[in-house]
Amino acid sequence: KNQVEQSPQSLIILEGKNCTLQCNYTVSPFSNLRWYKQDTGRGPVSLTIMTFSENTKSNGRYTATLDADTKQSSLHITASQLSDSASYICVVTNNNAGNMLTFGGGTRLMVKP
Amino acid sequence: GAGVSQSPSNKVTEKGKDVELRCDPISGHTALYWYRQSLGQGLEFLIYFQGNSAPDKSGLPSDRFSAERTGGSVSTLTIQRTQQEDSAVYLCASSKGLAGGLNNEQFFGPGTRLTVL
Repeated sequence: KNQVEQSPQSLIILEGKNCTLQCNYTVSPFSNLRWYKQDTGRGPVSLTIMTFSENTKSNGRYTATLDADTKQSSLHITASQLSDSASYICVVTNNNAGNMLTFGGGTRLMVKP
Repeated sequence: GAGVSQSPSNKVTEKGKDVELRCDPISGHTALYWYRQSLGQGLEFLIYFQGNSAPDKSGLPSDRFSAERTGGSVSTLTIQRTQQEDSAVYLCASSKGLAGGLNNEQFFGPGTRLTVL
């Protein structure tokens, strides 16, 4: 069964600090992995996408890593800002026909001043 | 508009009533998805439409849920005889093609928050 597990479920950090969110998956066959940011009351917005051959991808202060061998990904946020407070969702796509997306449960991040 | 829009943004209804939720996808996007997000939970796939193909309804939780997409554009999600457990945020997303591919990013609407009393 295709599954995506994220940890921690929630996280509180102080403004300016760094943090790392984890995503483990069992989706097969693997196609790509996306990290989304979902602000409260909004739909998710894509931050990064990585394919099997990519190990790291950056988008400003967000850096995603992918280890396709261990089926793990991380999202590192550098110098956090209050506006980073949101849920971060890991989504893994497989290569099968039909609905190919498996969503993680998300990590709820709160950045405090 | 430039993005996916959904209406209403909030809907409060009484148990047993029917509700209709609307989604306007990005113009030209052939794929349209409906998801449900319960409080503190991940997104739960409900149904998707791709072009003129038959919709994939494999995620609908019961026969009280149905959706249609008219003219390959606007979609309506209908929940009949609503129950309290139907309370959630219902998100719609669209993509150029079947979502997941590198060039087929899903763009999400703001969601409709449904509360069943």
